[in-house]
Amino acid sequence: ELKVEQNPLFLSMQEGKNYTIYCNYSTTSDRLYWYRQDPGKSLESLFVLLSNGAVKQEGRLMASLDTKARLSTLHITAAVHDLSATYFCAVESSNYKLTFGKGTLLTVNP
Amino acid sequence: DGGITQSPKYLFRKEGQNVTLSCEQNLNHDAMYWYRQDPGQGLRLIYYSQIVNDFQKGDIAEGYSVSREKKESFPLTVTSAQKNPTAFYLCASSMGGLYGYTFGSGTRLTVV
Repeated sequence: ELKVEQNPLFLSMQEGKNYTIYCNYSTTSDRLYWYRQDPGKSLESLFVLLSNGAVKQEGRLMASLDTKARLSTLHITAAVHDLSATYFCAVESSNYKLTFGKGTLLTVNP
Repeated sequence: DGGITQSPKYLFRKEGQNVTLSCEQNLNHDAMYWYRQDPGQGLRLIYYSQIVNDFQKGDIAEGYSVSREKKESFPLTVTSAQKNPTAFYLCASSMGGLYGYTFGSGTRLTVV
């Protein structure tokens, strides 16, 4: 059974600081997704990582995937208040099922 | 515009009632999924369907039922057997992993 662990689950940052969210998973997969969720809203797709060594960047967020270590990271650079949200990683298994981590609640303080 | 539509946005259920949540997509996606979200739990898979007239149980299927009679539609029924149905329900669709997954806006179900 595929298990996905995110850490930290809660992250309070100051504006301008950098930080990394980690996503570990238990079985082999080449496909990993990052989503953002604002309170009471649906999921917004951030990144789709499809191969080992994949790195994608959008604004202050950068995601990477190491399939050998079964690890993905979401790096936040120079955080701003608008990045406050819950971030989920999700791993796809071979039968096209997505398994989600519990999410990281990010709060960026002025 | 193509997308995935969930209705209603809010739903209230009395004890012992069955309720049905609607999910419709016009993306021509083969696969559709239902997830449940509870605070601090992330999203958990209830049922999924990769083709019309076929569906599989996810991790928490007890107390739920689905049908897939049309490619565009994947309704979820929350039965009276589901003892703790209050949650946020999200529907998703996909053409296959390379293209990612599209999520609906969700239905918030509350037992009153």
